[in-house]
Amino acid sequence: GEDVEQSLFLSVREGDSSVINCTYTDSSSTYLYWYKQEPGAGLQLLTYIFSNMDMKQDQRLTVLLNKKDKHLSLRIADTQTGDSAIYFCAENNDMRFGAGTRLTVKP
Amino acid sequence: DGGITQSPKYLFRKEGQNVTLSCEQNLNHDAMYWYRQDPGQGLRLIYYSQIVNDFQKGDIAEGYSVSREKKESFPLTVTSAQKNPTAFYLCASSIKQDSYEQYFGPGTRLTVT
Repeated sequence: GEDVEQSLFLSVREGDSSVINCTYTDSSSTYLYWYKQEPGAGLQLLTYIFSNMDMKQDQRLTVLLNKKDKHLSLRIADTQTGDSAIYFCAENNDMRFGAGTRLTVKP
Repeated sequence: DGGITQSPKYLFRKEGQNVTLSCEQNLNHDAMYWYRQDPGQGLRLIYYSQIVNDFQKGDIAEGYSVSREKKESFPLTVTSAQKNPTAFYLCASSIKQDSYEQYFGPGTRLTVT
């Protein structure tokens, strides 16, 4: 079946940039998403990108999409301790989510 | 305030009992979804509903049942047939299926002993 994969952990220093990567297999997805989950809470949509775009920027967030390689990334500039959370990538065709990347931001 | 609510936040049950998790939304969304989240795994789709009185199985529907009698409500029953029911359950809704954004509830943590 189709799948979405991402690494499970990322640790950065406060002020550095974070890059979270994701690969997917379903080439028919129209949208690809990044969600954020804080401990014990539901998911919150951070940003999304249409499959016909290759980049989207929204304040500190930059999403890059390489459709040929089916690779999606989320860059968080000037990462803060409040950015510590689990980040999920997802695609809309079969509503598949990756396992989530736990971002830890160290002071 | 518009939103999606799930209750209760924590639920404890004995093995062999059915349990129903509540999900309500006042966003006037057509589509609603149930996901299960286990540690180290992504969300897995249990059931979804595109419209009232209609629902489809997701990837892991076995041992679960749902109903969609009202647009606002999409309760999930975890039956005794579900082999590993202990998990964090998340409900979501969207304007329609394939909408670009799903809104998630705060989740219910179910523990079955």
